[in-house]
Amino acid sequence: AQSVTQLDSHVSVSEGTPVLLRCNYSSSYSPSLFWYVQHPNKGLQLLLKYTSAATLVKGINGFEAEFKKSETSFHLTKPSAHMSDAAEYFCVVKPAGTASKLTFGTGTRLQVTL
Amino acid sequence: DTAVSQTPKYLVTQMGNDKSIKCEQNLGHDTMYWYKQDSKKFLKIMFSYNNKELIINETVPNRFSPKSPDKAHLNLHINSLELGDSAVYFCASSQELSGGEKLFFGSGTQLSVL
Repeated sequence: AQSVTQLDSHVSVSEGTPVLLRCNYSSSYSPSLFWYVQHPNKGLQLLLKYTSAATLVKGINGFEAEFKKSETSFHLTKPSAHMSDAAEYFCVVKPAGTASKLTFGTGTRLQVTL
Repeated sequence: DTAVSQTPKYLVTQMGNDKSIKCEQNLGHDTMYWYKQDSKKFLKIMFSYNNKELIINETVPNRFSPKSPDKAHLNLHINSLELGDSAVYFCASSQELSGGEKLFFGSGTQLSVL
C-alpha cells in the first residue's frame, strides 16, 4: 500500500525568500508523484509530476521538485516566494501499473508574508 | 469556459434530506471522479467512472450513489444526509485511467449538514 507524508502542516516564508515544502512517500512499486496546489475556494491544480523520467521536475510558476529514491522524498521548492503562492499544497503518490488511485497527503499550507 | 464545473457551489441542508451535486466537464475526457475533502483538508477518492462505467468504488456508505448519464457528466446523489457528510466535494476528470495523468478539478461543492 502507498502512503504520503507531508512533514509540515504549515510553512511561513517572507516574500522573495526560498520555499521548501517537504514530502516523503512509501510505495510498493515505482510510483508516479505529483504536487497539486489549491488556492482558497478553488479546485486543485497540477503543479508538476514525476513519472520515472528526469529526477528533477520543473513545474508551473517557478516550482520544481526532486525525486530522491534513496530518501523516498519528493520535496517541492521555489527560489523566491511570491504573495500569489500562498495556498494549500498537496503531495500525491500513485503506484505504477495500477488503476488510477491517487493517495493525497494531508496538505501544507504556505503563508507568504511581506 | 470552465473545464470542470460543478453545482451547486454551496449546499446547506438538514439531516435526513436527500441531495444531489452535478458535475460536467467539457474537456472530452474519458474518466471522471468524485473526491471528498474533510475539514482537515484531507482529500480522498470516492468514485471513478471511465466511459460511464464504474471503475473505482471506495468504501463509502451506500447512501452515496454516483450516476453517469454520459461521459461528460458525473452526478453524486446522497440519501439520508448525516452530520458527518459535511465536507467539500470535488469533481475531477482526466484523459486516461492509468499512468501519470493530469487531473482537472472543479471548484468544489461545500456541503453543510445541520
